[in-house]
Amino acid sequence: DAGVIQSPRHEVTEMGQEVTLRCKPISGHDYLFWYRQTMMRGLELLIYFNNNVPIDDSGMPEDRFSAKMPNASFSTLKIQPSEPRDSAVYFCASSLGQGLVYTFGSGTRLTVV
Amino acid sequence: AQTVTQSQPEMSVQEAETVTLSCTYDTSENNYYLFWYKQPPSRQMILVIRQEAYKQQNATENRFSVNFQKAAKSFSLKISDSQLGDTAMYFCAFTPIQGAQKLVFGQGTRLTINP
Repeated sequence: DAGVIQSPRHEVTEMGQEVTLRCKPISGHDYLFWYRQTMMRGLELLIYFNNNVPIDDSGMPEDRFSAKMPNASFSTLKIQPSEPRDSAVYFCASSLGQGLVYTFGSGTRLTVV
Repeated sequence: AQTVTQSQPEMSVQEAETVTLSCTYDTSENNYYLFWYKQPPSRQMILVIRQEAYKQQNATENRFSVNFQKAAKSFSLKISDSQLGDTAMYFCAFTPIQGAQKLVFGQGTRLTINP
């Protein structure tokens, strides 16, 4: 398996623009997670899905953030409009079952200028 | 709420030495999993070791081992015969077996192995 695939690897955008981050989980995994990593706040869970259904989105900072999982092999995290404070590394991870191995993607480094 | 605390922001040792990274956590759960993840400069999150709370035996993976003290809610990582490639950020993480399936991370320890 190719692992969890995220795109793009780097994204630079101007404040106010829409940003879409993409994730392809490992085939057969039933959980998908979106994390954000910053120096100040460390690794924070934004949202997670089980069998394509959002279970907990309490970590989504505000209404500018939205996430979807239209099928078992694809998820998006969208920020509209983007702000400089959204600059961070965004990780997608997937797992099979409860508490088993979580596999992370390589992350997307987002810079909003 | 579950919390994970890593009290050592940075550590530095010489190659071939043994180093121990500390982690404590707070939870009211009885059954859970604990993890150590490594994040090298490439930023990839790599699973180092995993421990089930219901197992008394400490997990080991080659040069990596843990000291799991459930009563004290302590989960330290020992790296033996450290290598230059061990230089990375190390994160301790927790997830309950029942309920919300999400990893809660500590703030990380930046480990540098010096030649």
